[in-house]
Amino acid sequence: GAVVSQHPSRVICKSGTSVKIECRSLDFQATTMFWYRQFPKQSLMLMATSNEGSKATYEQGVEKDKFLINHASLTLSTLTVTSAHPEDSSFYICSARGGGNAVETQYFGPGTRLLVL
Amino acid sequence: DQQVKQNSPSLSVQEGRISILNCDYTNSMFDYFLWYKKYPAEGPTFLISISSIKDKNEDGRFTVFLNKSAKHLSLHIVPSQPGDSAVYFCAAGRSGSARQLTFGSGTQLTVLP
Repeated sequence: GAVVSQHPSRVICKSGTSVKIECRSLDFQATTMFWYRQFPKQSLMLMATSNEGSKATYEQGVEKDKFLINHASLTLSTLTVTSAHPEDSSFYICSARGGGNAVETQYFGPGTRLLVL
Repeated sequence: DQQVKQNSPSLSVQEGRISILNCDYTNSMFDYFLWYKKYPAEGPTFLISISSIKDKNEDGRFTVFLNKSAKHLSLHIVPSQPGDSAVYFCAAGRSGSARQLTFGSGTQLTVLP
């Protein structure tokens, strides 16, 4: 149980285009979803926290107009990278909380590799 | 300010021996801790957690120890297997409305056959 999926797993796009990444909790209802970014050989950096039906809370330094987050249901959150630039190239990972034995446990998706040319 | 630190970026262990991964934290408000395992180009996989009311939690080959006075936790893997080779992240959180996790920088474990 507690499976989280992400789509797409890999995306290559041209600079200036927008990219949408979906995060789904497959077998549980996620009250909260988180979006992370990971640079090579670095830790996970929390970008934002989203609760179903409310606006996302962004971490300091993360542009909310550039990284649009929508948490429309208890099983789906989307991250849209608007007007992507090469510096946005990274590994984006979502996680969801609400399943599993421990209420505090986050379950992660497999990640999305974004490459902006 | 790094609130969760994993000071060893890498660790190599012989197959069958014990792997000990360490993690230190500075925020005394953290009251639950987790370990995740991550393979390249994949999302982290939850391994084991511990709340601050305990000092030990065991699940199969994995045991997490918590020393609150030292603000230190460790993950023991015994016996280590080549498939355990991965990056291990410790994470800490505090109960409350936000309940976000703060992650360490990770330790690359390599189990040698």
